[in-house]
Amino acid sequence: KAGVTQTPRYLIKTRGQQVTLSCSPISGHRSVSWYQQTPGQGLQFLFEYFSETQRNKGNFPGRFSGRQFSNSRSEMNVSTLELGDSALYLCASSQSPFEQYFGPGTRLTVT
Amino acid sequence: ELKVEQNPLFLSMQEGKNYTIYCNYSTTSDRLYWYRQDPGKSLESLFVLLSNGAVKQEGRLMASLDTKARLSTLHITAAVHDLSATYFCAVDKDYGGSQGNLIFGKGTKLSVKP
Repeated sequence: KAGVTQTPRYLIKTRGQQVTLSCSPISGHRSVSWYQQTPGQGLQFLFEYFSETQRNKGNFPGRFSGRQFSNSRSEMNVSTLELGDSALYLCASSQSPFEQYFGPGTRLTVT
Repeated sequence: ELKVEQNPLFLSMQEGKNYTIYCNYSTTSDRLYWYRQDPGKSLESLFVLLSNGAVKQEGRLMASLDTKARLSTLHITAAVHDLSATYFCAVDKDYGGSQGNLIFGKGTKLSVKP
């Protein structure tokens, strides 16, 4: 079974731009969660989607948004990028409440 | 506010030695996760602990959970260099509800030296 895939793997953007990251979960997994990892704040929950509905949202500004499609693939969007948005963005998929499988991540650099 | 605290944050060990990483959390969640992260890589699931008294072992790593004390431990036995990585514990913020809202500790960076 293929694992969680994320695209692109690396991205460089300029302040003020917007970016869209993509996550394809493991086949059959309907829950997709997004996390931001930075050296200063560590791993922080962004949001979780299940069957195209956002079930939970972390404490991030409205510039961070996401969606999930009918095939469970998910995208997250960050508008008006700031330097502090530079991070590793991890996507995780799950089928049961007891296991989350993380993708390789997208490393975003904002200059 | 839900908090997950790990200690130590940095651990330098000699090969062959034993040590324990501690994870304290402030919620009543009964689901506790341990992950490993190698530099520049994603998170690899190590253990999922689902109930009080749960103990799981894989190779030189053993994890346990005491929900009454809100404490989990990750014990390393006879460390080897390949165990060098950062280890995270995490707790479900919305236990009983959704499955994707994990609160992570800051991680323990383990370095095993010969």
